[in-house]
Amino acid sequence: QLQLQESGPRLVKSSETLSLTCAVSGGTMDSTKYYWGWIRQPPGKGLEWIGSISFTGSTSYSPSLNSRVTMSVDTSKMRFSLRLTSVTAADTAVYYCARWTNFHWLFDYWGQGTLVTVSS
Amino acid sequence: QSALTQPASVSGSPGQSITISCTGTRSDIGDYNYVSWYQHSPGKAPKLIIFEVSNRPSGVSNRFSGSKSGNTAALMISGLQPEDEADYYCSSYTGRILFGGGTKVTVL
Repeated sequence: QLQLQESGPRLVKSSETLSLTCAVSGGTMDSTKYYWGWIRQPPGKGLEWIGSISFTGSTSYSPSLNSRVTMSVDTSKMRFSLRLTSVTAADTAVYYCARWTNFHWLFDYWGQGTLVTVSS
Repeated sequence: QSALTQPASVSGSPGQSITISCTGTRSDIGDYNYVSWYQHSPGKAPKLIIFEVSNRPSGVSNRFSGSKSGNTAALMISGLQPEDEADYYCSSYTGRILFGGGTKVTVL
């Protein structure tokens, strides 16, 4: 059973960089069938796709966050990462990592999520 | 780009059927069949319940069904049960991934 687990600082200061890592276990990352994605949910709001990355490092980012987002992948360590620069209070959210399938176009496995709070 | 539009809340009594709509544009929903639905309970990871408009993953109850007409997709839950109380999100893929704003389902 594939499992994903987010980790990283829970508190980030405004204007600084948010960094999270997603550890993948119970499966392989080296497949053209999948991308690896980040999704967030601000308090009281809906889900928002941040971006996705393939095992080769090919990325796709949300247009609204494109200028501040960088994703990377390390398949040897079975993990992928998110960096979001110049954060503000609006970036306070539960951040989820998930696996995206390229054949049915869906997120089939999700992490439990981690709340990141941006403080002023 | 704007999120897909869902009603904020839908409620029903046990045993009843409810429908959640998800409205987008022709380029978000109308021209493609890559609409999926997720069930999200507080403190848990979202769970896929419908993909490609109307397909159910293995293990998902057949009380959940999906459809699409024009630029609007819909999720129907029949025989509503207390454990169905959760937030439900639609999502579409057209080269970029969009989510709806979410619908809170309450079982009365």
